[in-house]
Amino acid sequence: EVQLVESGGGLVQPGGSLRLSCVASGFTFSSHSMNWVRQAPGKGLEWVSYISSGGSTIYYADSVKGRFTMSRDSAKNSLYLQMNSLRDEDTAVYYCARVGTGIRNAMDVWGQGTTVTVSS
Amino acid sequence: EIVLTQSPGTLSLSPGERATLSCRASQSVNSNYLVWYQQKPGQAPRLVIFGASSRATGIPDRFSGSGSGTDFTLTISRLEPEDFAVYYCQHYGSSLFTFGQGTRLEIE
Repeated sequence: EVQLVESGGGLVQPGGSLRLSCVASGFTFSSHSMNWVRQAPGKGLEWVSYISSGGSTIYYADSVKGRFTMSRDSAKNSLYLQMNSLRDEDTAVYYCARVGTGIRNAMDVWGQGTTVTVSS
Repeated sequence: EIVLTQSPGTLSLSPGERATLSCRASQSVNSNYLVWYQQKPGQAPRLVIFGASSRATGIPDRFSGSGSGTDFTLTISRLEPEDFAVYYCQHYGSSLFTFGQGTRLEIE
């Protein structure tokens, strides 16, 4: 079964750090680009970051640039999001999502999400 | 930066009716990279349409997408109870992924 499982969410104070992980199974992880997408409580979807299949190309949304770092470890079938200098507005469910093959950069597999709460 | 505006914000319809959801881009976009997702409460989004008009695997043929340039449409021909959800359009371009704010499709 193709699956993505996120972990690492939790409660953190403003200015703090957190590292999210996403473990992939059921497909060749190293062949797919990946994204992190977040959703604040009661709000819509917001793209956070993208990493190419080989890890050499990474993009960030302006809202997280300079604070978040995305990486991957294909030996561990894992995706990471290091989040520093966290703000209240980073509170959200964070999803990892696979960029599908042959479907023009659409995200065809999503994890169940991990919740990050930034609050004092 | 491209902004995607979805309308209406909420659409109230009954099962069996036809739903038409709109996504308008602030400037012309490449339709190859226009996508629609469905999200139900407490669940992750699900890919519905990619390339503006191609159905994703497992999506029933009552779902169709169309459009080009700045105006795109997701149509559900005959609503089933499981179709009531929030729908998001999304575009990829210039190293950015952009989502619309969503249309909530609710049962009337």
